[in-house]
Amino acid sequence: KAGVTQTPRYLIKTRGQQVTLSCSPISGHRSVSWYQQTPGQGLQFLFEYFSETQRNKGNFPGRFSGRQFSNSRSEMNVSTLELGDSALYLCASSLDFRQGGFQETQYFGPGTRLLVL
Amino acid sequence: DAKTTQPPSMDCAEGRAANLPCNHSTISGNEYVYWYRQIHSQGPQYIIHGLKNNETNEMASLIITEDRKSSTLILPHATLRDTAVYYCIVRVAGGYQKVTFGTGTKLQVIP
Repeated sequence: KAGVTQTPRYLIKTRGQQVTLSCSPISGHRSVSWYQQTPGQGLQFLFEYFSETQRNKGNFPGRFSGRQFSNSRSEMNVSTLELGDSALYLCASSLDFRQGGFQETQYFGPGTRLLVL
Repeated sequence: DAKTTQPPSMDCAEGRAANLPCNHSTISGNEYVYWYRQIHSQGPQYIIHGLKNNETNEMASLIITEDRKSSTLILPHATLRDTAVYYCIVRVAGGYQKVTFGTGTKLQVIP
C-alpha cells in the first residue's frame, strides 16, 4: 500500500505570494492532518480534516487554510507569504482520528519544504 | 493533551540497546503513549504505541510503568540508521485535541 504522498517536495516563493500544497493520504485513510516544522518551533499542528470537514485547528493565523476533497486528498494554502513561513510542511493521515489506538495512528508523508525569499 | 518530558539527547553504541525515557506524569486514563522518530529532513515515522500494557513490534518495545507516568522505548540492537530524533506523544483517545509534539530526544548511534 502506498504511503502518504506530498507535492511538491520543494518550493521557493517570495514574500506576498500564496502557495498551495497537496497531500494524498494512504488509501482508505479518512483523516488528514497538517503540521509545520521549523528549527525554532519544532513540529506544530496546523489543522485536521475528516470527511471534508475541519475538525481541529492549531494556533495559526487565518492566512493558513486547508480543505479536503471527497477522495480524502487534502490541500493547504498559505496566502501573503512571510519569511517566517519558511518551513517543512508535513501531512499525516490516519484511518480515523476519533476511535483511539490503532485507528488513530498517524502516518506521515515526506513533507514539502517551502522557502520564502 | 498531557505534556511529555524527554532528555534532549542521548548516545548509544552500535549493537547495544537504546533505552529512551519519557515522562508523562499528567497522563489521563484514556490517553495513549505514541512514539515516532524523525530522521533528518524526513517525515516522522510511526514506531509503536500503547495504553497500559507493554508492547513489542518489529521495530521496538514500549515499556509503560504501572502508574503510567513514564515509559521507555527500547531499540534492542541500535544501528547507525536509528540515529534520529525520537518523539514521545500522549494523546486522548476519541477526542479531537490537536497532537502536540515536544522537542524529542536526539539519539546518536555511535559506531
